[in-house]
Parts: sequence; C-alpha cells; structure tokens
Amino acid sequence: SQQGEEDPQALSIQEGENATMNCSYKTSINNLQWYRQNSGRGLVHLILIRSNEREKHSGRLRVTLDTSKKSSSLLITASRAADTASYFCATGQGAQKLVFGQGTRLTINP
Amino acid sequence: SQTIHQWPATLVQPVGSPLSLECTVEGTSNPNLYWYRQAAGRGLQLLFYSVGIGQISSEVPQNLSASRPQDRQFILSSKKLLLSDSGFYLCACTDRTVPSDTQYFGPGTRLTVL
Repeated sequence: SQQGEEDPQALSIQEGENATMNCSYKTSINNLQWYRQNSGRGLVHLILIRSNEREKHSGRLRVTLDTSKKSSSLLITASRAADTASYFCATGQGAQKLVFGQGTRLTINP
Repeated sequence: SQTIHQWPATLVQPVGSPLSLECTVEGTSNPNLYWYRQAAGRGLQLLFYSVGIGQISSEVPQNLSASRPQDRQFILSSKKLLLSDSGFYLCACTDRTVPSDTQYFGPGTRLTVL
C-alpha cells in the first residue's frame, strides 16, 4: 500500500515565493526521503532525513520530520521556474524497499 | 556514480502481445534493482525488486514477470499484455556504497497498450 501521502496534491505559486509540501505516513520508518520528478522523466533524489533527525537542509530545501505525528514537510525557498515538477515523499521501512506517496504537483508561475 | 539505462524509451503494443523492457546499471556493483509502474499523475507502484542475480521478489500479483540474468541487468516481461498494463515503467537501483535506502532512477519507458 502507498503509505506516504502528500498534501496538497497540487500547488501553484509565484516565482520567488516559498513552497511547502507535507507528507504523512502510518507506520514506523527508518528514514524519509523526498524525490523530484520532471514531467515524463525519472525521479531524482533530493534529500533524506533519518528517523532520529528533526530537520535537514540542502541548499534551498528544508525538510522537517515529526515522528510523533508521523509527518514530514518539504520547504523550497525562493522558488524558481525550474522547480516546477512533481515531488514525492518515500518512506524507508527496512527490507530494502521504499514506499512512495502520490506526489504533489508544484507549478511555479513566472 | 551510478547510471541507469532503460529501453526502449517509448513503446506502443497491441493487447495480447509480449513485452520485454530492459534496464542496465553502470557505476555500481551488486545493486538492489527495482521495477515500478506509474499511472498518469499518480505515484509509484513497486512491481518487483531483486537483491541479487536470479533473486526476484514480486510485490503485486499480475501478468508481469521480472528476471535478473546478470548483476546489473533487470528485465521486465509479459507473455500477453493487457490494456491495464499501460503506464510509465521506471527502473531503479540502490548503491551499496551509500549507506541508506536512496534509490537512483532510470529515464523510464512509456508503454501504451492498444
């Protein structure tokens, strides 16, 4: 079953604004990852946060993890047109598998 | 760093025809390999994964099968395609030099069954 569920399903903002996407999950995890997918392409790994971490940064990306609420958020600051893509969270639960959510479609308007 | 190749990039097949999609990996050894299917505007559904040559785990019962004849080769097959097999098929691998579940994806194959 698809455990990670992103919210919102679609998000449209103006260039320069910040974009926040949320992910909820149901079971215990080892880590949570965020991926980006440009239309018609494969997924690209963005950032991984482990279950014992609360916040992580990578460039304009900021990820938070709240294991008590079983949720994570991805913040993209100072958005650019090139950030237009679908964003997926994926939970690592051991067993060498990831469970992906349905994704958030982000559109950055110039 | 690892590179994943998938072919063909696009495929249109009639219902009932066979299927063979190939995935090859460069730049890493003994990777875990994965086949996913993605319906339009949806998330990824894990179909098969492999932790070694000849070792295949199936996640979803269906008319598809997978094989791993070599360490860095992963093949998705079907004897008779169904309309419901249409979708975007993605191959992914892990890198054992990276101590996490991070997966690296190929460019995908878009399959249309008519």
